[in-house]
Amino acid sequence: DGGITQSPKYLFRKEGQNVTLSCEQNLNHDAMYWYRQDPGQGLRLIYYSQIVNDFQKGDIAEGYSVSREKKESFPLTVTSAQKNPTAFYLCASTRETFTGNTIYFGEGSWLTVV
Amino acid sequence: GQQVMQIPQYQHVQEGEDFTTYCNSSTTLSNIQWYKQRPGGHPVFLIQLVKSGEVKKQKRLTFQFGEAKKNSSLHITATQTTDVGTYFCAADSGGSNYKLTFGKGTLLTVNP
Repeated sequence: DGGITQSPKYLFRKEGQNVTLSCEQNLNHDAMYWYRQDPGQGLRLIYYSQIVNDFQKGDIAEGYSVSREKKESFPLTVTSAQKNPTAFYLCASTRETFTGNTIYFGEGSWLTVV
Repeated sequence: GQQVMQIPQYQHVQEGEDFTTYCNSSTTLSNIQWYKQRPGGHPVFLIQLVKSGEVKKQKRLTFQFGEAKKNSSLHITATQTTDVGTYFCAADSGGSNYKLTFGKGTLLTVNP
């Protein structure tokens, strides 16, 4: 079945460490997105990519980095510069980059700093 | 930038009661989408509204898009325990640089 796969589902990080969250889609979608969800804050956009080898900062990009070397993959690195990384991270994709497209979400990754 | 206000933040109802969540944008929208996130799950697309004044129904759910295309509502008639979750609106201001701005969501809990 087509879909978006995020891994790991649960991740613990020590302070000062970088961690990378994986996101793979087999929907042949052009655009991919990373959102962060905190309780009561809704979904906030971290980074998005409209095509391979190109990506743009979202509303809360500081302390995060991404790459888009393949159409299917859009990994997110949470760096040690992110001061409050504990959150639920959602990867998403849309078929095209034009308006009106439905967003498909992965099942999410829970990151906890210990 | 784009701002989307969604109210209420929380709503607790008795099973069988109605529920409404509202979404307001600071700018005119190209379209608005609604998503539902079950507890512990991920957001799932419900519907998209495009036309001014549009009303769409899905069984007990009624979605409306305002005449000015700046506000929208989701109404659930006779709630059931399966309706529990957080409902998000997502505003699309249009253009080729496509990204949605999500409201903070309304958490609905239903007492059986």
